[in-house]
Amino acid sequence: KNEVEQSPQNLTAQEGEFITINCSYSVGISALHWLQQHPGGGIVSLFMLSSGKKKHGRLIATINIQEKHSSLHITASHPRDSAVYICAVRSYNTDKLIFGTGTRLQVFP
Amino acid sequence: ETGVTQTPRHLVMGMTNKKSLKCEQHLGHNAMYWYKQSAKKPLELMFVYSLEERVENNSVPSRFSPECPNSSHLFLHLHTLQPEDSALYLCASSHGQGARAYGYTFGSGTRLTVV
Repeated sequence: KNEVEQSPQNLTAQEGEFITINCSYSVGISALHWLQQHPGGGIVSLFMLSSGKKKHGRLIATINIQEKHSSLHITASHPRDSAVYICAVRSYNTDKLIFGTGTRLQVFP
Repeated sequence: ETGVTQTPRHLVMGMTNKKSLKCEQHLGHNAMYWYKQSAKKPLELMFVYSLEERVENNSVPSRFSPECPNSSHLFLHLHTLQPEDSALYLCASSHGQGARAYGYTFGSGTRLTVV
């Protein structure tokens, strides 16, 4: 079992819908990252969190350290949000980044 | 463009070929990374360079040979690869590394197919 689990693995939505992607992890962490990977392959860092909540435009990321859980929300989703969203945690013990397998999101007009 | 440039974008090579992947960043970062992304698997860290010194090698087969001639350039030399090495190879860079890393930036990757 991977130390970072994401759900769902695949998600389809209609334009305008509110999207939630979940990430659970089983190790102690110093930080959690949300990344976006477009079909071309390039990865863009969306957020780095160690506590609480961050917002950037239509994207909101939250983390609950006690429950070892983070969520990425997209409000008013748009077809250009279609991508793979990857959760990654930095292990407190090893300093290494551990990646989830990603959530593939497709938003239809 | 993220500031981390990888070339080529696509590469098809035979099992007896020798080729190199190139990564370049002009973000002033001092750490660079090679990752492998296979279908339906999490990203796997292959190598980490910090200040041009290799600080991490995650049990990668010797048919993959990294080189970091300066803090802006990173290469991955490939020889006698296997079909299971077909994957997306991603380069990344950051200020600092480990828990002190920030400004983590990925390139667009090289899609490698071994035939």
